[in-house]
Amino acid sequence: GQQVMQIPQYQHVQEGEDFTTYCNSSTTLSNIQWYKQRPGGHPVFLIQLVKSGEVKKQKRLTFQFGEAKKNSSLHITATQTTDVGTYFCAGNTGTASKLTFGTGTRLQVTL
Amino acid sequence: NAGVTQTPKFQVLKTGQSMTLQCAQDMNHNSMYWYRQDPGMGLRLIYYSASEGTTDKGEVPNGYNVSRLNKREFSLRLESAAPSQTSVYFCASSGEGFASPLHFGNGTRLTVT
Repeated sequence: GQQVMQIPQYQHVQEGEDFTTYCNSSTTLSNIQWYKQRPGGHPVFLIQLVKSGEVKKQKRLTFQFGEAKKNSSLHITATQTTDVGTYFCAGNTGTASKLTFGTGTRLQVTL
Repeated sequence: NAGVTQTPKFQVLKTGQSMTLQCAQDMNHNSMYWYRQDPGMGLRLIYYSASEGTTDKGEVPNGYNVSRLNKREFSLRLESAAPSQTSVYFCASSGEGFASPLHFGNGTRLTVT
């Protein structure tokens, strides 16, 4: 079955440092979504990428979808303590309404 | 606007006991999902319902049953709980189109002893 892996599993940064998480799928994706889950909370949708090579920005967050549509990345510039949480990618294949979630990257930010 | 509401928030069961997790959404979404979240394993799909009256197995359906009672409600039942079912359970819903984002409930933390 489809597998979606994320690296790293965990990263601890000082506030102001940059952060990147990478998402890799075993199969070609039709789209990819990113979610953020704060500690003790539920996943919250951040963004969706659909086109090969697509890049989208949300303030300090930059999302990329690979040319082959099998990988994606989330980059945060100048992290803040409000960025703490676990970031998940989730991919969809074909027209199935089932998302496969990645394993997640937990980000810890300290002053 | 409540979004996706799950009950209960916490539950402790003994091995072999049964229970039903309730989920309701007020966004008029067609699709609803049940996920479980375990440390280091992300979110794994248990069952989903693409529309009222239909349900399909996800990645980890064994030990669970679901009911799509109507468009708003989608319940998850554990007939005979096992310690391996200790997890956080999330219900989610999504609107039209396979690429619609998921809206999650607050989760149910279940412990089976």
